[in-house]
Amino acid sequence: ETGVTQTPRHLVMGMTNKKSLKCEQHLGHNAMYWYKQSAKKPLELMFVYNFKEQTENNSVPSRFSPECPNSSHLFLHLHTLQPEDSALYLCASSQPGQGAYEQYFGPGTRLTVT
Amino acid sequence: AQSVAQPEDQVNVAEGNPLTVKCTYSVSGNPYLFWYVQYPNRGLQFLLKYITGDNLVKGSYGFEAEFNKSQTSFHLKKPSALVSDSALYFCAVRDLNNNDMRFGAGTRLTVKP
Repeated sequence: ETGVTQTPRHLVMGMTNKKSLKCEQHLGHNAMYWYKQSAKKPLELMFVYNFKEQTENNSVPSRFSPECPNSSHLFLHLHTLQPEDSALYLCASSQPGQGAYEQYFGPGTRLTVT
Repeated sequence: AQSVAQPEDQVNVAEGNPLTVKCTYSVSGNPYLFWYVQYPNRGLQFLLKYITGDNLVKGSYGFEAEFNKSQTSFHLKKPSALVSDSALYFCAVRDLNNNDMRFGAGTRLTVKP
Protein backbone atom coordinates (compact mmCIF):
# COMPACT_ATOMS: atom_id res chain seq x y z
CA GLU A 1 0.00 0.00 0.00
CA THR A 2 1.07 3.55 -0.69
CA GLY A 3 0.04 5.14 2.62
CA VAL A 4 -2.87 7.00 1.03
CA THR A 5 -6.40 5.70 1.67
CA GLN A 6 -9.64 6.74 0.04
CA THR A 7 -13.23 6.07 1.01
CA PRO A 8 -15.59 4.99 -0.31
CA ARG A 9 -14.06 2.85 -3.03
CA HIS A 10 -17.28 2.87 -5.04
CA LEU A 11 -20.11 5.39 -5.06
CA VAL A 12 -23.33 5.56 -7.04
CA MET A 13 -25.29 8.77 -6.71
CA GLY A 14 -28.17 10.51 -8.36
CA MET A 15 -27.87 13.95 -9.86
CA THR A 16 -29.69 15.55 -6.93
CA ASN A 17 -27.66 13.86 -4.18
CA LYS A 18 -24.92 15.31 -2.01
CA LYS A 19 -22.00 13.09 -1.11
CA SER A 20 -18.37 13.43 -0.01
CA LEU A 21 -15.17 11.61 -0.89
CA LYS A 22 -12.52 11.24 1.77
CA CYS A 23 -8.76 10.91 1.48
CA GLU A 24 -6.24 10.34 4.26
CA GLN A 25 -2.46 10.12 4.02
CA HIS A 26 -0.09 8.67 6.61
CA LEU A 27 3.14 9.82 4.99
CA GLY A 28 3.72 13.15 6.69
CA HIS A 29 3.28 15.04 3.43
CA ASN A 30 2.08 18.62 3.23
CA ALA A 31 0.71 18.71 -0.31
CA MET A 32 -2.47 16.93 -1.40
CA TYR A 33 -4.18 16.66 -4.76
CA TRP A 34 -7.46 15.61 -6.36
CA TYR A 35 -7.37 14.13 -9.87
CA LYS A 36 -10.12 12.93 -12.19
CA GLN A 37 -9.33 9.87 -14.31
CA SER A 38 -11.51 9.14 -17.32
CA ALA A 39 -10.87 6.36 -19.81
CA LYS A 40 -8.25 7.12 -22.47
CA LYS A 41 -7.75 10.69 -21.25
CA PRO A 42 -4.85 12.21 -19.34
CA LEU A 43 -5.33 12.52 -15.63
CA GLU A 44 -7.01 15.84 -14.94
CA LEU A 45 -5.61 17.77 -12.02
CA MET A 46 -8.55 19.30 -10.15
CA PHE A 47 -7.25 20.83 -6.92
CA VAL A 48 -3.95 21.29 -5.10
CA TYR A 49 -3.45 22.03 -1.42
CA ASN A 50 -0.13 23.04 0.15
CA PHE A 51 -0.03 23.24 3.94
CA LYS A 52 -3.86 23.19 4.01
CA GLU A 53 -4.14 26.15 1.64
CA GLN A 54 -5.67 25.70 -1.78
CA THR A 55 -3.07 26.73 -4.32
CA GLU A 56 -4.70 25.57 -7.51
CA ASN A 57 -8.17 25.14 -8.92
CA ASN A 58 -8.04 24.01 -12.53
CA SER A 59 -11.34 25.55 -13.65
CA VAL A 60 -13.31 22.88 -11.86
CA PRO A 61 -17.11 23.37 -11.80
CA SER A 62 -18.51 24.59 -8.50
CA ARG A 63 -20.46 21.36 -8.04
CA PHE A 64 -17.10 20.00 -6.82
CA SER A 65 -16.02 21.57 -3.53
CA PRO A 66 -12.75 20.56 -1.83
CA GLU A 67 -11.94 20.82 1.84
CA CYS A 68 -8.60 20.30 3.58
CA PRO A 69 -9.00 20.54 7.37
CA ASN A 70 -5.41 19.46 8.04
CA SER A 71 -2.39 18.19 6.14
CA SER A 72 -3.47 14.56 6.49
CA HIS A 73 -7.06 14.78 5.30
CA LEU A 74 -8.69 15.92 2.09
CA PHE A 75 -12.34 15.85 1.15
CA LEU A 76 -14.21 16.37 -2.10
CA HIS A 77 -17.82 17.40 -1.59
CA LEU A 78 -20.15 16.59 -4.47
CA HIS A 79 -23.57 18.05 -5.26
CA THR A 80 -25.86 18.18 -8.30
CA LEU A 81 -23.41 16.23 -10.43
CA GLN A 82 -23.88 15.36 -14.08
CA PRO A 83 -23.52 11.92 -15.72
CA GLU A 84 -20.30 13.09 -17.40
CA ASP A 85 -18.78 13.44 -13.94
CA SER A 86 -18.70 9.66 -13.67
CA ALA A 87 -15.02 8.72 -13.38
CA LEU A 88 -12.32 7.45 -11.04
CA TYR A 89 -11.33 10.16 -8.56
CA LEU A 90 -7.81 9.85 -7.28
CA CYS A 91 -6.24 11.51 -4.30
CA ALA A 92 -2.47 11.96 -4.05
CA SER A 93 0.04 13.46 -1.66
CA SER A 94 3.64 14.61 -1.84
CA GLN A 95 6.15 16.91 -0.26
CA PRO A 96 5.25 20.50 -1.13
CA GLY A 97 7.23 22.95 -3.22
CA GLN A 98 9.08 22.84 -6.50
CA GLY A 99 11.33 19.86 -5.93
CA ALA A 100 11.28 16.63 -7.92
CA TYR A 101 8.83 15.06 -5.51
CA GLU A 102 6.89 12.07 -6.70
CA GLN A 103 3.26 11.79 -5.75
CA TYR A 104 1.74 8.91 -3.84
CA PHE A 105 -1.75 7.92 -4.92
CA GLY A 106 -4.69 6.34 -3.18
CA PRO A 107 -6.69 3.54 -4.84
CA GLY A 108 -9.39 5.94 -6.00
CA THR A 109 -13.14 6.23 -5.69
CA ARG A 110 -15.11 4.94 -8.67
CA LEU A 111 -18.01 7.38 -9.01
CA THR A 112 -21.11 6.69 -11.08
CA VAL A 113 -23.67 9.45 -11.50
CA THR A 114 -27.10 8.21 -12.57
CA ALA B 1 2.44 24.96 -19.67
CA GLN B 2 4.14 21.60 -19.72
CA SER B 3 2.59 18.60 -21.47
CA VAL B 4 3.24 14.95 -22.15
CA ALA B 5 2.33 12.70 -25.08
CA GLN B 6 2.14 8.94 -25.06
CA PRO B 7 1.72 8.06 -28.73
CA GLU B 8 0.62 4.47 -28.23
CA ASP B 9 -2.66 3.52 -26.55
CA GLN B 10 -1.65 -0.13 -26.47
CA VAL B 11 1.61 -2.06 -26.53
CA ASN B 12 1.70 -5.85 -26.85
CA VAL B 13 4.82 -7.84 -26.04
CA ALA B 14 5.62 -11.51 -25.65
CA GLU B 15 6.95 -12.63 -22.26
CA GLY B 16 10.74 -12.58 -22.19
CA ASN B 17 11.03 -9.99 -24.95
CA PRO B 18 12.22 -6.43 -24.34
CA LEU B 19 9.55 -3.77 -23.99
CA THR B 20 9.46 -0.05 -24.69
CA VAL B 21 6.69 2.37 -23.76
CA LYS B 22 7.12 5.76 -25.42
CA CYS B 23 6.79 9.24 -23.96
CA THR B 24 7.58 12.69 -25.31
CA TYR B 25 7.31 15.90 -23.36
CA SER B 26 7.13 19.66 -23.75
CA VAL B 27 8.30 22.16 -21.14
CA SER B 28 9.60 25.70 -21.22
CA GLY B 29 12.58 24.95 -18.99
CA ASN B 30 14.28 21.87 -17.58
CA PRO B 31 11.93 19.01 -16.77
CA TYR B 32 11.43 16.55 -14.00
CA LEU B 33 10.11 13.36 -15.62
CA PHE B 34 8.28 10.46 -14.01
CA TRP B 35 6.81 7.07 -14.83
CA TYR B 36 3.91 5.56 -12.93
CA VAL B 37 2.13 2.22 -13.24
CA GLN B 38 -1.52 1.48 -12.50
CA TYR B 39 -2.77 -2.04 -11.86
CA PRO B 40 -6.51 -2.81 -12.00
CA ASN B 41 -8.52 -1.25 -9.18
CA ARG B 42 -5.45 0.48 -7.80
CA GLY B 43 -4.05 3.97 -7.77
CA LEU B 44 -0.91 5.00 -9.61
CA GLN B 45 2.39 3.69 -8.25
CA PHE B 46 5.66 5.55 -8.74
CA LEU B 47 8.25 3.66 -10.82
CA LEU B 48 11.13 6.07 -11.45
CA LYS B 49 12.06 9.67 -12.10
CA TYR B 50 14.63 11.77 -13.92
CA ILE B 51 15.95 14.89 -12.25
CA THR B 52 19.39 15.54 -13.70
CA GLY B 53 22.62 13.72 -14.44
CA ASP B 54 22.79 10.26 -15.96
CA ASN B 55 20.34 9.94 -18.85
CA LEU B 56 19.56 6.31 -17.97
CA VAL B 57 17.42 6.04 -14.86
CA LYS B 58 16.79 2.76 -13.10
CA GLY B 59 13.60 2.16 -11.15
CA SER B 60 11.40 -0.44 -9.52
CA TYR B 61 10.69 -3.96 -10.83
CA GLY B 62 13.59 -3.90 -13.32
CA PHE B 63 12.28 -0.92 -15.29
CA GLU B 64 14.51 1.83 -16.61
CA ALA B 65 13.97 4.94 -18.69
CA GLU B 66 16.20 6.91 -21.01
CA PHE B 67 16.11 10.69 -21.06
CA ASN B 68 16.87 12.20 -24.47
CA LYS B 69 16.93 15.96 -24.42
CA SER B 70 17.34 16.47 -28.15
CA GLN B 71 14.32 14.30 -28.90
CA THR B 72 12.42 15.47 -25.79
CA SER B 73 11.68 11.85 -24.97
CA PHE B 74 11.66 9.70 -21.86
CA HIS B 75 10.88 6.15 -22.98
CA LEU B 76 10.30 3.40 -20.44
CA LYS B 77 12.14 0.13 -21.03
CA LYS B 78 12.62 -3.32 -19.59
CA PRO B 79 15.00 -5.94 -21.02
CA SER B 80 12.72 -8.92 -20.40
CA ALA B 81 8.96 -8.51 -19.94
CA LEU B 82 6.88 -10.49 -17.44
CA VAL B 83 3.17 -11.30 -17.69
CA SER B 84 2.80 -9.48 -14.36
CA ASP B 85 4.03 -6.26 -16.00
CA SER B 86 0.68 -6.01 -17.79
CA ALA B 87 -0.83 -2.74 -16.59
CA LEU B 88 -1.50 0.89 -17.52
CA TYR B 89 1.61 3.07 -17.65
CA PHE B 90 1.63 6.85 -17.29
CA CYS B 91 4.38 9.29 -18.09
CA ALA B 92 4.38 12.64 -16.27
CA VAL B 93 6.35 15.87 -16.47
CA ARG B 94 6.87 18.63 -13.98
CA ASP B 95 8.33 22.00 -14.82
CA LEU B 96 10.98 23.19 -12.36
CA ASN B 97 9.19 26.53 -12.20
CA ASN B 98 5.82 25.39 -10.91
CA ASN B 99 4.11 22.87 -8.75
CA ASP B 100 2.05 21.09 -11.42
CA MET B 101 2.57 17.56 -12.62
CA ARG B 102 1.04 16.80 -16.01
CA PHE B 103 0.24 13.24 -16.98
CA GLY B 104 -0.12 11.55 -20.33
CA ALA B 105 -3.21 9.58 -21.33
CA GLY B 106 -1.56 6.30 -20.48
CA THR B 107 -0.38 3.25 -22.43
CA ARG B 108 -1.84 -0.16 -21.77
CA LEU B 109 0.89 -2.78 -21.78
CA THR B 110 -0.11 -6.39 -22.34
CA VAL B 111 2.52 -9.09 -21.94
CA LYS B 112 1.45 -12.44 -23.37
CA PRO B 113 2.86 -15.76 -22.18
